Amino acid sequence: DAGITQSPRHKVTETGTPVTLRCHQTENHRYMYWYRQDPGHGLRLIHYSYGVKDTDKGEVSDGYSVSRSKTEDFLLTLESATSSQTSVYFCAISESRERNRGGYGYTFGSGTRLTVV
Amino acid sequence: DQQVKQNSPSLSVQEGRISILNCDYTNSMFDYFLWYKKYPAEGPTFLISISSIKDKNEDGRFTVFLNKSAKHLSLHIVPSQPGDSAVYFCAASGGTYKYIFGTGTRLKVLA
Repeated sequence: DAGITQSPRHKVTETGTPVTLRCHQTENHRYMYWYRQDPGHGLRLIHYSYGVKDTDKGEVSDGYSVSRSKTEDFLLTLESATSSQTSVYFCAISESRERNRGGYGYTFGSGTRLTVV
Repeated sequence: DQQVKQNSPSLSVQEGRISILNCDYTNSMFDYFLWYKKYPAEGPTFLISISSIKDKNEDGRFTVFLNKSAKHLSLHIVPSQPGDSAVYFCAASGGTYKYIFGTGTRLKVLA
């Protein structure tokens, strides 16, 4: 299995506080993604990165920012957490556009369960 | 606007029988499709894929069928086993390295 770890695994935070989730990979993969999973919505893309310092928005990016200063780390920050951001967050990686397009898809981390109270 | 839809939130099947999970999409530019399986408290894991140049792909007990004209794909699991009980997501991509996921179907295989 690809080396991808997410931290923390669980977090409870208060409304209005900033929160940063970390995704760390040891596979040297170029592409990294942040998804959130919610009942009735499946997995929705928040932000993605196609290289160091190269990031772009996904479908549900409002209220989130990302940074990728090293190949191995992709950080997701909730600027000011709201209850609607209570969710399970998954990081994913993929090796190359060709392998991704070749149907290999992504490798996902184990997720971070975030509760905003 | 849900581009990838899984209209059955849940499905129960008897062990040994066939499980059929369905997925519909609206974007005709999608040309690669994946199925992922997810157990509780774990990340999704890749199961099987199909490109639009094929209409069927098989891997052991898992077969994915693609009907491009209907914009429909299905995952067949036969025979179904209790360990197959999980949430299944379909995902689609069209010319990019991003995949759009469906809402998931929870499969329960009854022993």
